[in-house]
Amino acid sequence: AQKITQTQPGMFVQEKEAVTLDCTYDTSDPSYGLFWYKQPSSGEMIFLIYQGSYDQQNATEGRYSLNFQKARKSANLVISASQLGDSAMYFCAMREGVTGNQFYFGTGTSLTVIP
Amino acid sequence: ETGVTQSPTHLIKTRGQQVTLRCSSQSGHNTVSWYQQALGQGPQFIFQYYREEENGRGNFPPRFSGLQFPNYSSELNVNALELDDSALYLCASSLDLAGQYNEQFFGPGTRLTVL
Repeated sequence: AQKITQTQPGMFVQEKEAVTLDCTYDTSDPSYGLFWYKQPSSGEMIFLIYQGSYDQQNATEGRYSLNFQKARKSANLVISASQLGDSAMYFCAMREGVTGNQFYFGTGTSLTVIP
Repeated sequence: ETGVTQSPTHLIKTRGQQVTLRCSSQSGHNTVSWYQQALGQGPQFIFQYYREEENGRGNFPPRFSGLQFPNYSSELNVNALELDDSALYLCASSLDLAGQYNEQFFGPGTRLTVL
């Protein structure tokens, strides 16, 4: 089974609007971390936001927030007030366990912000 | 503080050749992970190095090997190149393995083309 599933290959959003990028995960480990990365066309992966499995509150970082629903095993990224520079690939990733040594990535969602 | 750097930026090889990719970790980081990202896919974990020892490996054949040096920089070596090895190779560094939160900082990647 896939560890990380991103079901939206491509998304469009109007500038200044909010958009939600979906991510579901699969793990039996009670301790894990969830990450979102942005990958512009240049290729570099840029860290956006982190959510720990034991965190009680949803993570927020500026315009980014993570809608963490543990029972549903989902960790959706919400981008508020979209900007043209937000156009990029977005990847959800998971690290299992306290000392897990690898990140499992989804297949990504291509976001296009329309002026 | 210097970020993660990788060299070369681009590389073209032919089938059967060998290639070495290099990565300098972010200042203060002692762990380096390597990922392969095929076109249109998410990054796949190759292996991780911690204090000059391999610390976990993904589903990649032995012709993918690596090294980590005392200054924590790292090399990825691929022997007997195949066409399917064409991909973006990403290096990521992190501080250590302890604790649940272990953000990885990615370099810009090396794009390898095998003809």
